[in-house]
Amino acid sequence: AQSVAQPEDQVNVAEGNPLTVKCTYSVSGNPYLFWYVQYPNRGLQFLLKYITGDNLVKGSYGFEAEFNKSQTSFHLKKPSALVSDSALYFCAVRDRANQAGTALIFGKGTTLSVSS
Amino acid sequence: GAGVSQSPRYKVAKRGQDVALRCDPISGHVSLFWYQQALGQGPEFLTYFQNEAQLDKSGLPSDRFFAERPEGSVSTLKIQRTQQEDSAVYLCASSLVSGQGASGSYEQYFGPGTRLTVT
Repeated sequence: AQSVAQPEDQVNVAEGNPLTVKCTYSVSGNPYLFWYVQYPNRGLQFLLKYITGDNLVKGSYGFEAEFNKSQTSFHLKKPSALVSDSALYFCAVRDRANQAGTALIFGKGTTLSVSS
Repeated sequence: GAGVSQSPRYKVAKRGQDVALRCDPISGHVSLFWYQQALGQGPEFLTYFQNEAQLDKSGLPSDRFFAERPEGSVSTLKIQRTQQEDSAVYLCASSLVSGQGASGSYEQYFGPGTRLTVT
């Protein structure tokens, strides 16, 4: 069965410091991996995705994520955090070998809090 | 351009009432998904449409839940005889292509959700 784990409910970081939001996944085949961000009372916004190729993926708002197949991880990173980055972040996976399955499987989310 | 829109944004229903939640996907998007997001949890898949065809309804929690997309555009999620455990945010998402196989690499675009509270 497919699953996603976000081991930290909350990550706290000072503005200007680097941030990491962790994600590990489990699929039977090779994954498509996604990060979404959710602001209060708003829908999920797409940040970035890993499809194939370079393990380091760059996305919106200066975020990037590194795919590590051996560790089945897809951690979200940003070199310098902004207060406006404070939000709820979701990692999601889809098994590319699953011809029928189309749904994204989400982690439970990590709240990022950036202090000034 | 316009994104995915959902209405109503908030719905309060008394237990036992029927509710209907509407989703307007991005124009031209083939795929439409419904997810349920409980408080403090990530979204969980309910059902998937490719155009007007409902190809996957494996996530619908009971036969009280019904979804349709008759013309391959707007979709309605209907919940009959609502129960307190149905209280959640219901998210709709659309995607440009089918989402199956290699097309699964395409991201889904989400609406703002409908927050359903059953009292």
